[in-house]
Amino acid sequence: GAGVSQSPSNKVTEKGKDVELRCDPISGHTALYWYRQSLGQGLEFLIYFQGNSAPDKSGLPSDRFSAERTGGSVSTLTIQRTQQEDSAVYLCASSLARTSGSTRAADTQYFGPGTRLTVL
Amino acid sequence: SQQGEEDPQALSIQEGENATMNCSYKTSINNLQWYRQNSGRGLVHLILIRSNEREKHSGRLRVTLDTSKKSSSLLITASRAADTASYFCATRGGGADGLTFGKGTHLIIQP
Repeated sequence: GAGVSQSPSNKVTEKGKDVELRCDPISGHTALYWYRQSLGQGLEFLIYFQGNSAPDKSGLPSDRFSAERTGGSVSTLTIQRTQQEDSAVYLCASSLARTSGSTRAADTQYFGPGTRLTVL
Repeated sequence: SQQGEEDPQALSIQEGENATMNCSYKTSINNLQWYRQNSGRGLVHLILIRSNEREKHSGRLRVTLDTSKKSSSLLITASRAADTASYFCATRGGGADGLTFGKGTHLIIQP
């Protein structure tokens, strides 16, 4: 079946521009996560969605970062006024709910191929 | 901040040998997972061990967990060239839903 997809696969932008990254989770997965992977910081958790709400935004590094999810499916991560330190691979993952009707996410997360963002 | 720390950072072995990677973490956890990453892109889930389990097997993979030492190990037996990848441990604890990853071990299998 179809896995998690992300677009674009690569994005090169100039410092100060805004970028939008898209994630299509696996159909039926209620939980969606964004992570960032950079050479200096490794893999960092950014934000978690359960349905359309984001109960955990603790990992967003600054107010330039925001994310939304509509219809309990597609999510977009927006970075405003990009800086060079935003250069990284942005990974999206999704998972099922822990049990039917649960608001807690199941343990196993399925990752997309990532978007490599380069800020010049 | 990173909770898991893997060692070694890099490991190179001959095909057919066993590869062992270790992970340490700092806080209490609900479970610990191992993921594999090829070519710096998407991660693939390998195996999960819960905090009340001590050892788990899946094919050529064997994971151990010692909660008293806050450490885990991943053993890959009879390694193959296709096992060349980066391996990360990830923990989930308390009420958190996001995973906390270590810095990873880069494994190279020499043919």
